Amino acid sequence: RKEVEQDPGPFNVPEGATVAFNCTYSNSASQSFFWYRQDCRKEPKLLMSVYSSGNEDGRFTAQLNRASQYISLLIRDSKLSDSATYLCVVNSNSGYALNFGKGTSLLVTP
Amino acid sequence: EAGVAQSPRYKIIEKRQSVAFWCNPISGHATLYWYQQILGQGPKLLIQFQNNGVVDDSQLPKDRFSAERLKGVDSTLKIQPAKLEDSAVYLCASSFGTGVSTDTQYFGPGTRLTVL
Repeated sequence: RKEVEQDPGPFNVPEGATVAFNCTYSNSASQSFFWYRQDCRKEPKLLMSVYSSGNEDGRFTAQLNRASQYISLLIRDSKLSDSATYLCVVNSNSGYALNFGKGTSLLVTP
Repeated sequence: EAGVAQSPRYKIIEKRQSVAFWCNPISGHATLYWYQQILGQGPKLLIQFQNNGVVDDSQLPKDRFSAERLKGVDSTLKIQPAKLEDSAVYLCASSFGTGVSTDTQYFGPGTRLTVL
């Protein structure tokens, strides 16, 4: 089983739509969780950390379910500029390194 | 603030040749990472340095890959000899702290390697 699994998509949604991505992780001892965003042919950039209580940053909401080892990202009122690949990231067994999922591709259309 | 610098941005070589990549992290960042990102995959950690010491190189194919971080600043990653399956983007990242996983990692633009 891969350490971090995501649905690769692509998710094609119209502007203004709400879209949700899910991610599962295998290491129950993981403590750190993130969503990174990667634009086409660009480097990954941190979108937001994911906290146990859930957290929100503008139109973006991240949730963590430790019992199910499941992370989610909700994007409300999608913009064209949200089109990118969203990478789910979890710290590794060693605690230092990060394990990246394959990413979920989002395309927001006019 | 200057970001993570990498060079070259693109490299095309033939299999069995050698290649080296260079990374200059954000000033003051103690921890430096090299990742390999194959098309359609997420980045995979190859090696992590804290200052000039290796913290994790468990996924580095040591028969052909080597990396160093002299003086705890710049780093080079070398492949010798290259194989077709090494075609990927090699990303360097740095973080301020001492490698705790909660640190934000800042990525460089990457070096796109094509092995023919």
